[in-house]
Amino acid sequence: KAGVTQTPRYLIKTRGQQVTLSCSPISGHRSVSWYQQTPGQGLQFLFEYFSETQRNKGNFPGRFSGRQFSNSRSEMNVSTLELGDSALYLCASSPVAGGAVNEQFFGPGTRLTVL
Amino acid sequence: QKEVEQNSGPLSVPEGAIASLNCTYSDRGSQSFFWYRQYSGKSPELIMFIYSNGDKEDGRFTAQLNKASQYVSLLIRDSQPSDSATYLCAGYSSASKIIFGSGTRLSIRP
Repeated sequence: KAGVTQTPRYLIKTRGQQVTLSCSPISGHRSVSWYQQTPGQGLQFLFEYFSETQRNKGNFPGRFSGRQFSNSRSEMNVSTLELGDSALYLCASSPVAGGAVNEQFFGPGTRLTVL
Repeated sequence: QKEVEQNSGPLSVPEGAIASLNCTYSDRGSQSFFWYRQYSGKSPELIMFIYSNGDKEDGRFTAQLNKASQYVSLLIRDSQPSDSATYLCAGYSSASKIIFGSGTRLSIRP
């Protein structure tokens, strides 16, 4: 079974631009969560999508948004990029919603650099 | 106070010894806890999850949960150089979010 895939793997943008990252979960998985990882803040939860609906959201500004399609693929968008948005963006999939006893499988991540 | 706290390390342990990684959490409503291993430049991979008080063993790994003390730990027996990585503790909070600690860097010295 193929794992979680994320595209692109690396991205360089300049301040003020916007970016869209894509995540394809493991086949059959319906929940997709997004995380931002930086050396200073660690791994921080952005949002979770299940069946095309956002179930939960972390403490990030409205510039960060996402969506999920009917095939469970998910995209996240960051508008008006700031230098502080430079990070590794990780997507994780799980079979069902809610992470209490669900194993999340992480993708390889997208490394975003904002210049 | 961070919701999930870990000592950043690095924790240095000789090969073959027991490595003990600790984590505390502030949300008493947290239901379950996860330990992830992350090698440098790679994404996290789940080692274990635990949601009942007590110990849970899987091979060389034992997770321990004490809800009264709000404490989670991971023991790695017979530590190997390949265990050198950053270990992330995470809790499923009462707000239905998975909250990660900042991670502990573990180094196994030959």
